[in-house]
Amino acid sequence: GAGVSQSPSNKVTEKGKDVELRCDPISGHTALYWYRQSLGQGLEFLIYFQGNSAPDKSGLPSDRFSAERTGGSVSTLTIQRTQQEDSAVYLCASSFIDSLGYTFGSGTRLTVV
Amino acid sequence: KNEVEQSPQNLTAQEGEFITINCSYSVGISALHWLQQHPGGGIVSLFMLSSGKKKHGRLIATINIQEKHSSLHITASHPRDSAVYICAVYGGSQGNLIFGKGTKLSVKP
Repeated sequence: GAGVSQSPSNKVTEKGKDVELRCDPISGHTALYWYRQSLGQGLEFLIYFQGNSAPDKSGLPSDRFSAERTGGSVSTLTIQRTQQEDSAVYLCASSFIDSLGYTFGSGTRLTVV
Repeated sequence: KNEVEQSPQNLTAQEGEFITINCSYSVGISALHWLQQHPGGGIVSLFMLSSGKKKHGRLIATINIQEKHSSLHITASHPRDSAVYICAVYGGSQGNLIFGKGTKLSVKP
């Protein structure tokens, strides 16, 4: 596609439920990144994919968070047993592996009630 | 101490004013990004710099690698420039950006 596509754009879920967020990067971009922006906070790195592998998972806040990427394309970020502190905007970005230019998606706003 | 510091945190300007937002960083970097985030909106990458100066329309970004400092300038500011401007540095090996906390700019007509 023309840009990085994220879905859903908004998600309201009950505490304790699992949610799955999707990121469809720009075609051909081999690097994919997930970030989180909590209300009133700065951007926080979560995980980075190079192809289908994730060399850096250091930003995942707990073992309730996991992410995968298949076919070197679409990535899903899964949050199990959601908590209210998980409420945030989850942003995805992609780039060519040898490029430092990032393109951001428009984000998924997650609200846990 | 944050690895990426921005100043000011908040900035209010009158339409037409020249605006400067500063970014200092403490880590070695390969590149620095200036990002723009509109209220409720996504993030747009304005510039990526590894040296010198770049200009796009009314926006100018400069970087001094020796001093570990970058500035974003907006000439002839306009209310539509109101947004949060975020400085982010690419630290290198693991591919992730390190973000500043952002500067919230409000341009009054």
